[in-house]
Amino acid sequence: GAVVSQHPSWVICKSGTSVKIECRSLDFQATTMFWYRQFPKQSLMLMATSNEGSKATYEQGVEKDKFLINHASLTLSTLTVTSAHPEDSSFYICSARRGGVQETQYFGPGTRLLVL
Amino acid sequence: DAKTTQPNSMESNEEEPVHLPCNHSTISGTDYIHWYRQLPSQGPEYVIHGLTSNVNNRMASLAIAEDRKSSTLILHRATLRDAAVYYCILRQRGRNAGNMLTFGGGTRLMVKP
Repeated sequence: GAVVSQHPSWVICKSGTSVKIECRSLDFQATTMFWYRQFPKQSLMLMATSNEGSKATYEQGVEKDKFLINHASLTLSTLTVTSAHPEDSSFYICSARRGGVQETQYFGPGTRLLVL
Repeated sequence: DAKTTQPNSMESNEEEPVHLPCNHSTISGTDYIHWYRQLPSQGPEYVIHGLTSNVNNRMASLAIAEDRKSSTLILHRATLRDAAVYYCILRQRGRNAGNMLTFGGGTRLMVKP
């Protein structure tokens, strides 16, 4: 199956700092990538849709100035959590859409962020 | 948006088949039915998807009701590694945002040795 990687797998930072998370599709090109957030014992919540070469589309309630998304190439999207606070601590998961006849989405392993 | 309904949790014995149900009574004619599973502290893993006909792959089988208002994911022989949260998702089509997947609560499958 298709492979999506994320880096880092976990990060601990101080409140007020910014954290960048990378998402890469390793063996296919993805014009569209998605960023999700998951709090403990809850389901995944879509944060934004990232399209290569254009601005991301954010879901209602997600601050675009706080969660900066860049999709600079067909295999890389980044999510930057700016001025992180403890309430931003969560499990961040990206996915990449693989097109074609059997179109489906493949998910990365997730990045666990802990803001102290 | 079409939604799905799944039991919160199910138990199974190792080596036995498991049938995970999903109701999607408001499914539209062109929505695909996708199943993903999520092991603890990992991203979701694709399991199977279908449109109208039953589907089989090396991981599982997907049985789709004739009226498409429900489906069942079948694990033929559960193993301890199959313990996970299983999500039944309708892939939204026709939206400019790129057919994102909307996750519901899923079914937590527990497998007993």
